Amino acid sequence: LAKTTQPISMDSYEGQEVNITCSHNNIATNDYITWYQQFPSQGPRFIIQGYKTKVTNEVASLFIPADRKSSTLSLPRVSLSDTAVYYCLVWADSGAGSYQLTFGKGTKLSVIP
Amino acid sequence: GAVVSQHPSWVICKSGTSVKIECRSLDFQATTMFWYRQFPKQSLMLMATSNEGSKATYEQGVEKDKFLINHASLTLSTLTVTSAHPEDSSFYICSARERKFDEKLFFGSGTQLSVL
Repeated sequence: LAKTTQPISMDSYEGQEVNITCSHNNIATNDYITWYQQFPSQGPRFIIQGYKTKVTNEVASLFIPADRKSSTLSLPRVSLSDTAVYYCLVWADSGAGSYQLTFGKGTKLSVIP
Repeated sequence: GAVVSQHPSWVICKSGTSVKIECRSLDFQATTMFWYRQFPKQSLMLMATSNEGSKATYEQGVEKDKFLINHASLTLSTLTVTSAHPEDSSFYICSARERKFDEKLFFGSGTQLSVL
């Protein structure tokens, strides 16, 4: 079971790039790495997903080293509205309808004016 | 991204009553859906995995007779909290596995349950 470890909190000024790293030392071959954003009283919102190397979309980049034991979410030029909790999730279909799905504690990002 | 609709957003009920929460995948078919609960300032905790047309798989410590899950169609899963008590008050969230273009999990907006 791939357990994830993230910093509990981070602060950043508006306009800066923010990098949040997640450790998942026990990641399995078939595991996906997915990052979510959650605001209070809302469900997690999908940000980005990767398997290896680098993935980029319109809101973020995800860097995954060759050993896949960690991943880094990069948010370019954050704004106040990016203040939220960010979760990295490592998950996979274990077969026969069972899944390995464990959320870590998440990283509370506070963006400062 | 794909849309998962969850209803209601919040519900208040009396102790001893049952509450049903619906989770729908709006623009894709979801053979697998998941139910979580989240307490204030804590992470999401997986309660059960729901596969269309079969019985749900519950995580250790989750009472299956307390939290009834039905996944009767490829776009709808329901969670019924039976004989709710104040300790069942929590934020419940569903997610659905989207496989049309890639393997992804999308989440509903959550349901805040308050049991009086």
